[in-house]
Amino acid sequence: EPEVTQTPSHQVTQMGQEVILRCVPISNHLYFYWYRQILGQKVEFLVSFYNNEISEKSEIFDDQFSVERPDGSNFTLKIRSTKLEDSAMYFCASSLARGAGQPQHFGDGTRLSIL
Amino acid sequence: EDQVTQSPEALRLQEGESSSLNCSYTVSGLRGLFWYRQDPGKGPEFLFTLYSAGEEKEKERLKATLTKKESFLHITAPKPEDSATYLCAVLGNYGQNFVFGPGTRLSVLP
Repeated sequence: EPEVTQTPSHQVTQMGQEVILRCVPISNHLYFYWYRQILGQKVEFLVSFYNNEISEKSEIFDDQFSVERPDGSNFTLKIRSTKLEDSAMYFCASSLARGAGQPQHFGDGTRLSIL
Repeated sequence: EDQVTQSPEALRLQEGESSSLNCSYTVSGLRGLFWYRQDPGKGPEFLFTLYSAGEEKEKERLKATLTKKESFLHITAPKPEDSATYLCAVLGNYGQNFVFGPGTRLSVLP
């Protein structure tokens, strides 16, 4: 069964450094998402991406965040200047379509630890 | 603002002891309610989508039902391998993002 893959599984970074989290969505999916989950808290939406542009973003997704689809398979989340509070699990998801409530399929996440 | 709550927060069952998990929601027009299973250190794994009140879906020992204000995940004769956190999420009429509940942490003891 096709799946969403994310790398690295764990990233440790010094505060203030830039990180790039990588995702390979399911190949025929058209919509891509990033969510985060702080330890012990809810899964929270960050951003959705379609047709090479951001279609929706949450209040969390401020100027330090950016997303990109640099080629036909990868989808990346960049955090420009990391803060301690950015420590969380970051999940990438993809869906085939948007209408009629299509399920989103999630990767196993990248655990980001900011020191 | 779309909101999702889940109860109980945690549930311990003996193997074979059936029970139900609750997901209550308020949403500006429901386009879908989704159940996911999440194992420790893993991403949410899709289980079911429900679209309208009265709808039911089944998969092995799990059955999901939907009313206008809540959804139930019924677990019949659970096994230890059913132990996980079960997440509920809704997609409303506005936006494309899922709104997740906090989850119910299920432990099934042998």
